[in-house]
Amino acid sequence: EIVLTQSPEFQSVAPKEKVTITCRASQSIGSSLHWYQQKPDQSPKLLIKYASQSISGVPSRFSGSGSGTDFTLTINSLEAEDAAAYYCHQSSSFPLTFGGGTKVEIK
Amino acid sequence: EVHLVESGGGLVQPGGSLRLSCAASDFTFSAYNMNWLRQAPGEGLEWLSYISSRSNNIYYADSVKGRFIISRDNAKNSLYLQMNSLTDEDTAVYYCARAGFGDYSDSWGQGTLVTVSS
Repeated sequence: EIVLTQSPEFQSVAPKEKVTITCRASQSIGSSLHWYQQKPDQSPKLLIKYASQSISGVPSRFSGSGSGTDFTLTINSLEAEDAAAYYCHQSSSFPLTFGGGTKVEIK
Repeated sequence: EVHLVESGGGLVQPGGSLRLSCAASDFTFSAYNMNWLRQAPGEGLEWLSYISSRSNNIYYADSVKGRFIISRDNAKNSLYLQMNSLTDEDTAVYYCARAGFGDYSDSWGQGTLVTVSS
């Protein structure tokens, strides 16, 4: 099973600041890494697919990078509506797995 | 816009069974692979099971293997999860999700709550 280790678990950031969340895979997964945003009492929403590919309708301040075992989600110029939990997810092999999540709070 | 609506959740006693359904609309259900996932209260996301578009490939997480059964009816645009031998650790919101190319979940339903308690 591929383990995804996300960090940090929690981040408190002021509006307009930059947020960086990292996700490390226990073995190489190529670019089969995806990022989700989940706001309280909502279903997860796909933000980034295949490490760096943008999703229609997702604001351009969200971007992803990385390959192999190390990946990053970046939120440029944080907005109040970005308060949420963020999860990385690998689809390289079954069982599919998720990172533990990062909760982003707005200062 | 993809629509997925889960139903069938509720309160069940330990050792009991429950069958979840997921009604799909506004996309060609028979062309897509599908996933079931869950989220325990205050916890992260957990993938449970995958079924290919024609039901010829099925996978389960170890946590539910031998207890849960995934199935689909393409004629009815519906996905199912039969859950048996439930324990309190199965208490969670259960989501169905469409699998994009590469099997990640690209669209999720709103979820249905399953509570296992005596």
